[in-house]
Amino acid sequence: DAGITQSPRYKITETGRQVTLMCHQTWSHSYMFWYRQDLGHGLRLIYYSAAADITDKGEVPDGYVVSRSKTENFPLTLESATRSQTSVYFCASTPGVSWGNEKLFFGSGTQLSVL
Amino acid sequence: KQEVTQIPAALSVPEGENLVLNCSFTDSAIYNLQWFRQDPGKGLTSLLLIQSSQREQTSGRLNASLDKSSGRSTLYIAASQPGDSATYLCAYFSGNTPLVFGKGTRLSVIA
Repeated sequence: DAGITQSPRYKITETGRQVTLMCHQTWSHSYMFWYRQDLGHGLRLIYYSAAADITDKGEVPDGYVVSRSKTENFPLTLESATRSQTSVYFCASTPGVSWGNEKLFFGSGTQLSVL
Repeated sequence: KQEVTQIPAALSVPEGENLVLNCSFTDSAIYNLQWFRQDPGKGLTSLLLIQSSQREQTSGRLNASLDKSSGRSTLYIAASQPGDSATYLCAYFSGNTPLVFGKGTRLSVIA
């Protein structure tokens, strides 16, 4: 199916472990984003990417690493997971032809628990 | 700091009622504002996007307005239905950074 998919849907890990969350989109959108959603904080931007091999920090990038070797994939890695990184993570994309006047499309999210 | 405020945080209404959700923002130089819907355990779905040159957008029973000078947007839902129960978030784009989101209004429509 076309669209934006995230995997895994749920993940439980332990503090100190490395975790990678996957995001794949089939639209060839230029821009991709990672957000985390927490009660009391709403949605906060972690990283975003304007194209393959171009990434930039968002509001809360510490402890996270991203890469974008292909346009369709934008994985998010927690290098050494901490309890404060327990959250729901959303990937999103937008065409980028006229960035700012295009809707943002979201994946279904990954619920991550760090024990 | 760029901020988006949504009031109320939660709202419960009887079916059939018309309602208004409010969104206020601090940045006057916005390019656009979007309203999203989020169902429990799901991602966000964009409902309406209002460009800075527009005053409102309509889709079915939904109407969103934008007043840049006052830093406000409203989402009007006509003849509410239980299926409208969800969290509604607004977000704006100012050209410098990706979308800035509000924390949302959780709407419950009671049959």
